[in-house]
Amino acid sequence: AQSVTQLDSQVPVFEEAPVELRCNYSSSVSVYLFWYVQYPNQGLQLLLKYLSGSTLVESINGFEAEFNKSQTSFHLRKPSVHISDTAEYFCAVTVNTGFQKLVFGTGTRLLVSP
Amino acid sequence: SQTIHQWPATLVQPVGSPLSLECTVEGTSNPNLYWYRQAAGRGLQLLFYSVGIGQISSEVPQNLSASRPQDRQFILSSKKLLLSDSGFYLCAWSPRRQGARTEAFFGQGTRLTVV
Repeated sequence: AQSVTQLDSQVPVFEEAPVELRCNYSSSVSVYLFWYVQYPNQGLQLLLKYLSGSTLVESINGFEAEFNKSQTSFHLRKPSVHISDTAEYFCAVTVNTGFQKLVFGTGTRLLVSP
Repeated sequence: SQTIHQWPATLVQPVGSPLSLECTVEGTSNPNLYWYRQAAGRGLQLLFYSVGIGQISSEVPQNLSASRPQDRQFILSSKKLLLSDSGFYLCAWSPRRQGARTEAFFGQGTRLTVV
């Protein structure tokens, strides 16, 4: 069975600084990978996804993630964060079994301060 | 466009009382439907999923049940709530025709507190 590890439960960072949120997965078969963002007391919003093709994927608000098959990683990065990026970020994986069952990591809380 | 509605947003229930959370999807047909629970520091756990009316699969043994009486309606229920049922419950859907090659779309969640 697949699993997802997000080692950092909380990442504090100053505004305009770069940030990397780490995500590692384990799976014996090919996977699809996702990053979701959650603001307080709200549902999850898709930030970006890797299904196939280019291993570097980008979101519309400046985040990017790179699928690294050899290291089984899908780290999320942003070169310059804003206060509004403060939220919880979840990495998730699903395998291509014809049905989508997301397995989530425990989440990383990004705290951006001025 | 597709939308997902989940209610209520917040619920406080006494131990031993029944529960019914409802989720509906608009703008699509034959969706896969899901119920997740989010506990603090533990990420999201898939509770139930459904690929069609009346078809429910449970992922973990628990005090809860799910039903899908209509194509775009998914209900989470309990006959008698336990303290351990407290949490943030999220409904989600994904396009069935795309299998696993798609993201899931989430509702706004229900914060359930059992007292």
